Amino acid sequence: EIVMTQSPATLSASPGERVTLSCRASQSVNGKLAWFQQKPGQAPRLLIYATSFRATGIPARFSGSGSETDFTLTISSLQSEDFAVYYCQQYGDWPPYTFGQGTKLEIK
Amino acid sequence: QITLKESGPTLVKPTQTLTLTCTFSGFSLSTNGVAVGWIRQPPGNALEWLALIYWDDDKRYRPSLKSRLTITKDTSKNQVVLTMTNMDPVDTATYYCAHRVDSINTFDYWGQGTLVTVSS
Repeated sequence: EIVMTQSPATLSASPGERVTLSCRASQSVNGKLAWFQQKPGQAPRLLIYATSFRATGIPARFSGSGSETDFTLTISSLQSEDFAVYYCQQYGDWPPYTFGQGTKLEIK
Repeated sequence: QITLKESGPTLVKPTQTLTLTCTFSGFSLSTNGVAVGWIRQPPGNALEWLALIYWDDDKRYRPSLKSRLTITKDTSKNQVVLTMTNMDPVDTATYYCAHRVDSINTFDYWGQGTLVTVSS
């Protein structure tokens, strides 16, 4: 089973800032990496798939990059609605699909 | 517009079998490349994928839970059912169903989730 490790666990930032969240896989996932955003009491929302492709309706301030085992999600200019928990997920070698433990993005 | 909604008991006793239904609209589970999966999330914890069923009735399960899980579909009713046997308090979680299509390969539409508590 591929283990996904996200860092940091919590990130404090201010509106307007640029932030980068990290995700590392225990082995190569061949670029098959997705990012989800989850707000309290809500279902996860797909942001990015295949490392760098934005899902339908996702603003351009969200971007993804990486390869092999190391991936990043960048938010270019934080908006108030972006404060949430972010999960990465691999689908390069499954079953099982595996998720990271999440990064909580909080307001500084 | 794709929507999914989970339904089932909110409380089950230890050792009982959980049956959850995912009712969806906006797509057909008989369309080539479409699948529906189940994912759960214990309170305050991360997401854990459980099972997936494809348009052609092929199925995949989380290896560590495979002996306890069964996923089925009723295409005519637009429903997917997940059963989990021998429930334990550690299975307390919000259970989500989600849509997956081959072109994206991950879960692009999710239900709102249903909280299942396992307690005597």
